[in-house]
Amino acid sequence: DIQMTQSPSSLSASVGDRVTITCRGSQTINNYLNWYQQKPGKAPRLLVYAASSLQSGVPSRFSGSGSGTDFTLTISNLQPEDFATYYCHQSYRTPQTFGQGTKVEVK
Amino acid sequence: EVQLVESGGDLVQPGGSLRLSCAGSGFTFSNYWMHWVRQAPGEGLEWVSRINSDGSVTNYADSIEGRFTISRDNAKNTLYLQMRSLRAEDTAVYYCATGLKILAVAPFAYWGQGALVTVSS
Repeated sequence: DIQMTQSPSSLSASVGDRVTITCRGSQTINNYLNWYQQKPGKAPRLLVYAASSLQSGVPSRFSGSGSGTDFTLTISNLQPEDFATYYCHQSYRTPQTFGQGTKVEVK
Repeated sequence: EVQLVESGGDLVQPGGSLRLSCAGSGFTFSNYWMHWVRQAPGEGLEWVSRINSDGSVTNYADSIEGRFTISRDNAKNTLYLQMRSLRAEDTAVYYCATGLKILAVAPFAYWGQGALVTVSS
């Protein structure tokens, strides 16, 4: 199975900050790397797919980058509605796997 | 509007069985791969299973292999997850999800609201 390791597991930030979350796969995933945002009691929301493509309707302050095994989600100019938990997800190989999540909290 | 609505979540005793359903609407259900993803209380997301458009291909997570069965009825636009020999560690919110893409590797652009399964005596 491909293990996805996210870091950090949590971070504290302020509105307006630039936030970076990383995700590393235990083997190459051919850029089939997706990012989701989840708020308490809600289903996850797709933000970025194929490592760097922004899902329709997602604000441009979200961006994804990376290739091979190392990937990054960046939130520039953090907004109040961005405090949430973020997950990476590889859809390249079965079983598909998620990172353990990164909780973005108010500083 | 694309909608996925899960049902069937309940409290069940260890060793028991339960079947979840996910009704799809607003899209051509029979065209796409469908998935189940679960989330234990306070924990992260875990991919559970997937099924291709006509039901001929299924895959499962190691943790539920042999106990859960995914299936679909395209005439009813409904996805199912039959769960047997349930354990306490199967307690979770179960989501159905799809990418509305032909490819199996499509990301999960659409999710249901989730169905809570609690396994406890």
